[in-house]
Amino acid sequence: KQEVTQIPAALSVPEGENLVLNCSFTDSAIYNLQWFRQDPGKGLTSLLLIQSSQREQTSGRLNASLDKSSGRSTLYIAASQPGDSATYLCAVYTNAGKSTFGDGTTLTVKP
Amino acid sequence: KAGVTQTPRYLIKTRGQQVTLSCSPISGHRSVSWYQQTPGQGLQFLFEYFSETQRNKGNFPGRFSGRQFSNSRSEMNVSTLELGDSALYLCASSLESTSAQYFGPGTRLTVT
Repeated sequence: KQEVTQIPAALSVPEGENLVLNCSFTDSAIYNLQWFRQDPGKGLTSLLLIQSSQREQTSGRLNASLDKSSGRSTLYIAASQPGDSATYLCAVYTNAGKSTFGDGTTLTVKP
Repeated sequence: KAGVTQTPRYLIKTRGQQVTLSCSPISGHRSVSWYQQTPGQGLQFLFEYFSETQRNKGNFPGRFSGRQFSNSRSEMNVSTLELGDSALYLCASSLESTSAQYFGPGTRLTVT
């Protein structure tokens, strides 16, 4: 059974800091890994999708990496802003045809 | 291109009743997945539909069911509601099952 863990559960940083969010998964038989952000009471916004054959993806200030063999992914956020405050979730889509989500990291960026 | 839409956005039901939630995917997307999100259990996969067929199912009781229509719109039904069914129900669509998922705003269901 696939398990996804995100550490830390919460993170508070001052504006402008670069930061890394971590996601680990137990079963490396995945098709892809996707990072999302969720604002309170809202749906999920897709940030980046990394296919199992890829090592990283970049979008603006965001960079996500994937190391399938070790079961790890990181989301790097450069020059954080208060608007980045949200819960960040990672999800792996497995060969079993299901998405498994981590519990998320709640990020607070202080002005 | 319009995003994923879900109706209704909020719903209050009493125990024992049934409820139907609706999801309209992004135009051209054939895969629709449903998730339940609660503070205690996080995001849990309910089921996925592709071209009107249920492809995968999560570990939920048979009271949870769904269907997909020929235009890819999907409905989810919960019968004999229990207090523990109170949650945010999220729908996601994608081009194919292994493509990026795009989520709707969710339906907040409260069971009293």
